[in-house]
Amino acid sequence: DGGITQSPKYLFRKEGQNVTLSCEQNLNHDAMYWYRQDPGQGLRLIYYSQIVNDFQKGDIAEGYSVSREKKESFPLTVTSAQKNPTAFYLCASTTGGSPLHFGNGTRLTVT
Amino acid sequence: GIQVEQSPPDLILQEGANSTLRCNFSDSVNNLQWFHQNPWGQLINLFYIPSGTKQNGRLSATTVATERYSLLYISSSQTTDSGVYFCAVEGTTDSWGKLQFGAGTQVVVTP
Repeated sequence: DGGITQSPKYLFRKEGQNVTLSCEQNLNHDAMYWYRQDPGQGLRLIYYSQIVNDFQKGDIAEGYSVSREKKESFPLTVTSAQKNPTAFYLCASTTGGSPLHFGNGTRLTVT
Repeated sequence: GIQVEQSPPDLILQEGANSTLRCNFSDSVNNLQWFHQNPWGQLINLFYIPSGTKQNGRLSATTVATERYSLLYISSSQTTDSGVYFCAVEGTTDSWGKLQFGAGTQVVVTP
């Protein structure tokens, strides 16, 4: 079955460590996105990529980095520069004129 | 960027009741989608509806792009309809696929 796989589901890290969240899709979608959701809030866009080897900052890119070396993969690194990294992170993908599909998310807790 | 406002913020329904959720947006849009987030955080795309009316079972949606609003109708609500409903839009001046999410409507359906 086609879909988006995010791993791990839960992630715990100590403050000051970088951490990388995985996102893989087998939907053959061109565009991929990373969103952040805080409790009781909507989704805010971190980074997005419309083609391989190209990506753009979203509304809250500071403290995050991404790469898009393959069409299927769009990993997100939460760096130690991100001041409040504890959140629910959602990866999504789409192709022109079609609905946005989401993975099941990664809950990151930094202590 | 484009602003998205959803109302009401919270809604409590008795099973079997009907309801209407509203999404207002501040500019012209290329793309408007409705999502349901279940209590476990999973986001499901309900409708891709930049204009017109669509129906899917007990759910239907109408977007009046010229008046900058969209409505999501839930009929004969069930407890499984509980969760948060998000509206997301892509403004005509935004990059392709860059969706801006509203804050959501939290729906609780009681037995």
